[in-house]
Amino acid sequence: AQSVTQLDSHVSVSEGTPVLLRCNYSSSYSPSLFWYVQHPNKGLQLLLKYTSAATLVKGINGFEAEFKKSETSFHLTKPSAHMSDAAEYFCVVTGPSGYSTLTFGKGTMLLVSP
Amino acid sequence: NAGVTQTPKFQVLKTGQSMTLQCAQDMNHEYMSWYRQDPGMGLRLIHYSVGAGITDQGEVPNGYNVSRSTTEDFPLRLLSAAPSQTSVYFCASSYGRGAADTQYFGPGTRLTVL
Repeated sequence: AQSVTQLDSHVSVSEGTPVLLRCNYSSSYSPSLFWYVQHPNKGLQLLLKYTSAATLVKGINGFEAEFKKSETSFHLTKPSAHMSDAAEYFCVVTGPSGYSTLTFGKGTMLLVSP
Repeated sequence: NAGVTQTPKFQVLKTGQSMTLQCAQDMNHEYMSWYRQDPGMGLRLIHYSVGAGITDQGEVPNGYNVSRSTTEDFPLRLLSAAPSQTSVYFCASSYGRGAADTQYFGPGTRLTVL
């Protein structure tokens, strides 16, 4: 069965410092993995996705994530946080119905202080 | 393109009432889905459709019905509203027939059941 664990419910950083949002997954097959972002009172937007090509995936707004099969992790990083990055971030894996459905993590709220 | 639209934005129901949440997309997407978002729970899949005339259940389908008579529309029906259905509901669509394609989310419907 597929599952996603986001290891932190909240992460606080200062503007200009690095961002690390952690995600571990489990899957019975080779999944596709995603990070989606939700700004306050908005719908979700795709940040980046891994679909079995390069293990280092670059997304929008300077975010990137590395797929590590041996560690079953897909952590999201950004070298320098901006105030506009404050939002909730969701790690997502395909399954349990193969590639027909998605399983979402519970989310990590990123707080950015000046 | 309007993208994915949802109506209404807000709704208050009494226990036992029924209603339909509307979702439409103008991108000719095959895949459409409904999620509910509850605090600390991430998004959970209610129902999904891989094309007109084809629907299937997700993780939390009880109390909800869907149909897909056209490519554009995917309404979600609450048969007899219960307080446990108080939530924010998101509709999403994607180009292919699977969930691994980029999902485009609507702005959400905030439902309160008294």
